[in-house]
Amino acid sequence: QVQLVESGGGVVQPGRSLRLSCAASGFTFSNYGMHWVRQAPGKGLEWVAVIWYDGRNKYYGDSVKGRFTISRDNSKNTLYLQMNSLRVEDTAVYYCARDPDAVSGTYFDYWGQGILVTVSS
Amino acid sequence: ELVMTQSPGTLSVSPGERVTLSCRASQSVSSDLAWYQQKPGQAPRLLIYGASTRASGIPARFSGSGSGTEFSLTISSLQSEDFAVYYCQQYNNWPEFGQGTKVEIK
Repeated sequence: QVQLVESGGGVVQPGRSLRLSCAASGFTFSNYGMHWVRQAPGKGLEWVAVIWYDGRNKYYGDSVKGRFTISRDNSKNTLYLQMNSLRVEDTAVYYCARDPDAVSGTYFDYWGQGILVTVSS
Repeated sequence: ELVMTQSPGTLSVSPGERVTLSCRASQSVSSDLAWYQQKPGQAPRLLIYGASTRASGIPARFSGSGSGTEFSLTISSLQSEDFAVYYCQQYNNWPEFGQGTKVEIK
């Protein structure tokens, strides 16, 4: 069965960095595009970033462009999100999610359980 | 900028009732629309993609319709486990979610 397990969250001060990981299992990771989606406390869902199956193409939402970097290691079945210059408004539960397509941002057929990132001084 | 608008914000219904949730796109997204269900403390779950195709394991009481800018999700007979927040999401452009509709017990 498909499993996505996020890790690396926690409390961080504004301006600092944090790296999230998402360990995938139960499917051939290298065949699928992968996303990060976030949800601020009590708010709706916001798409953050997508990476194609081979890692060669990456795209970002406007609110994180230039600060966050999505990457993947297909040999380790792991997705990453490097978050730099964090702001209070980046506080959210971050979900990794699988795209049923390999090379485009479509919808999300499987989700991890989410990991909380709190940006606070 | 493509904006997704869901209505109503909250729906108070009784078990067994038929429920229809609406989602409107500010420009055409063809049939590139998905619906998700989210319960408190849980990740979203995919219900519908392609505007009307049920995802694997989703009960037949859930159905989606629409194309272009107007979409709807119908739950034919609301069960206790269906009380949740529902989100639409377009993928004709980069993914964009609606703000959600909360379905609560009346």
